[in-house]
Amino acid sequence: GENVEQHPSTLSVQEGDSAVIKCTYSDSASNYFPWYKQELGKRPQLIIDIRSNVGEKKDQRIAVTLNKTAKHFSLHITETQPEDSAVYFCAANTQTGANNLFFGTGTRLTVIP
Amino acid sequence: DGGITQSPKYLFRKEGQNVTLSCEQNLNHDAMYWYRQDPGQGLRLIYYSQIVNDFQKGDIAEGYSVSREKKESFPLTVTSAQKNPTAFYLCASSIEHRAYGYTFGSGTRLTVV
Repeated sequence: GENVEQHPSTLSVQEGDSAVIKCTYSDSASNYFPWYKQELGKRPQLIIDIRSNVGEKKDQRIAVTLNKTAKHFSLHITETQPEDSAVYFCAANTQTGANNLFFGTGTRLTVIP
Repeated sequence: DGGITQSPKYLFRKEGQNVTLSCEQNLNHDAMYWYRQDPGQGLRLIYYSQIVNDFQKGDIAEGYSVSREKKESFPLTVTSAQKNPTAFYLCASSIEHRAYGYTFGSGTRLTVV
């Protein structure tokens, strides 16, 4: 099955700086890569996703890049704000058997005012 | 509550007891999922269901059971065979068992006392 690794596990940045979270995956057939944000005690919420037919996608201060050859994808948050503080999860689907999502272990982002 | 409701929010279980976690959705989604979340381990798939009266084991199904008698409902039973049940449990749903657009419930925190 799919194996998704995520780094770093914790990340602290000053308000206004950029944050980058990186993930690698193992299944070359994966074609969908979402990112979820989970605030303390709340449900994960989809913030951005990318499909394998594109290399980059942006939504305001958030962007995701995908390198299919290297099997890694990254989340970029620019001009960070305190409300960006949360745990971020990457995920990848698997085309082998059931089309489920496999999640990384999460990155706790802290934005220091 | 975003169309998918989990109850209760907090649950306490005594050793040797079975407990059932509720998950209901009104999104008309075909597929439903149960994930377990532990600190530092991300989200791990317990069971999933693509259609009514059908479900499949995920990566960590031992000690858990599910049913899918109605499209809207996918309850999870944590049995006494689950040796370490204390965790945060998340239910999710998606259209037509695609990995696109998972919607998560707000979770149930289960504690063994």
